[in-house]
Amino acid sequence: DAGVTQSPTHLIKTRGQHVTLRCSPISGHKSVSWYQQVLGQGPQFIFQYYEKEERGRGNFPDRFSARQFPNYSSELNVNALLLGDSALYLCASSFEWFYEQYFGPGTRLTVT
Amino acid sequence: AQTVTQSQPEMSVQEAETVTLSCTYDTSESDYYLFWYKQPPSRQMILVIRQEAYKQQNATENRFSVNFQKAAKSFSLKISDSQLGDAAMYFCAYRVNYGGSQGNLIFGKGTKLSVKP
Repeated sequence: DAGVTQSPTHLIKTRGQHVTLRCSPISGHKSVSWYQQVLGQGPQFIFQYYEKEERGRGNFPDRFSARQFPNYSSELNVNALLLGDSALYLCASSFEWFYEQYFGPGTRLTVT
Repeated sequence: AQTVTQSQPEMSVQEAETVTLSCTYDTSESDYYLFWYKQPPSRQMILVIRQEAYKQQNATENRFSVNFQKAAKSFSLKISDSQLGDAAMYFCAYRVNYGGSQGNLIFGKGTKLSVKP
């Protein structure tokens, strides 16, 4: 079975622009979580979606938003990009929201 | 709020030797899960081992085992017979059981493990 997939692999954007990152969970998994990993740090929780509803949100500004589609794939959107948004964005899926999370390879976002 | 602390930014071990990575955490919850994840240069975060707080027995997965001390809020990872492929960043993580972040993970800052041939 395919693991969690994310696209694109790398992305370069300019300050003030908008970006959309995509994630496809493991087949059968109903929950998707997003994390931001700044260089040299551990990942920080941004959002969790379960059955297409947001069920958890971390301490991130409203510029960050996400959604989950009927096929359980998910998008993370970031508006008005700042230099500080440069990071590795990780998506993780789990069968149920409280089950173990399996991570994708991440999207490396660079904001210039 | 829960916190996870990894006090060793870098560790080094000789191939075939044993190394222990430290992790401490702070929580007021009595029931929770703890995890160790490995992140090689490829960036993919891989689950190494998990421990349920209500279980007294330390978890073991092949060459990986943990020393879970609930009262001390300590959760260390022991890697036996270290292999070159074990070289990676290792993250300790706590799974939140209650509140707005329920079900999600709080990570430490990581320990970079090098394995010398």
